[in-house]
Amino acid sequence: DGGITQSPKYLFRKEGQNVTLSCEQNLNHDAMYWYRQDPGQGLRLIYYSQIVNDFQKGDIAEGYSVSREKKESFPLTVTSAQKNPTAFYLCASSMWVGTGELFFGEGSRLTVL
Amino acid sequence: AQRVTQPEKLLSVFKGAPVELKCNYSYSGSPELFWYVQYSRQRLQLLLRHISRESIKGFTADLNKGETSFHLKKPFAQEEDSAMYYCALSVRGGATNKLIFGTGTLLAVQP
Repeated sequence: DGGITQSPKYLFRKEGQNVTLSCEQNLNHDAMYWYRQDPGQGLRLIYYSQIVNDFQKGDIAEGYSVSREKKESFPLTVTSAQKNPTAFYLCASSMWVGTGELFFGEGSRLTVL
Repeated sequence: AQRVTQPEKLLSVFKGAPVELKCNYSYSGSPELFWYVQYSRQRLQLLLRHISRESIKGFTADLNKGETSFHLKKPFAQEEDSAMYYCALSVRGGATNKLIFGTGTLLAVQP
């Protein structure tokens, strides 16, 4: 069953704690992305990766970090420096950066208490 | 600056009525535009792209460079079209390659 798998679906954390969201794909895609989805603001790009061991900041990277050690995996860490971390996070992949055809995961909802 | 604008947060129509979801963009390069759709409890997925000039589920979208628009249209709305629709712009140049999304329009088709 090919696709993008995000985990966990729901996550609760106390303020000040770092949290890591998992994203795995078995589509053999080179590019992977993290978006944040907030009501009324659409999808905003946090980080993206064009290839293994490479990643670039998106429009709202402050307070987040990523790694791309394997082609299949692109975890996102929401650090305590992120001022408003409660949100819905979407991971996506594409064959290569610039296609515009992204395949999305089901999302992870993070709530910081 | 690159930007995608969807002016309507909510569009409510009756079944069988025509639908037009508006999208305007701002981009100095050659635009590549897309429409994505998210049905209730489903993943966000690509609906159509301007370059393929195809009709998907009865929806079409024409790129108008003069008006910098990429409106999504369907002549007769169906209840199953109710969903969140996002317009997106592919931005490419130098080290930058990314997809910028608009804020989305919720389409509600009433019976």
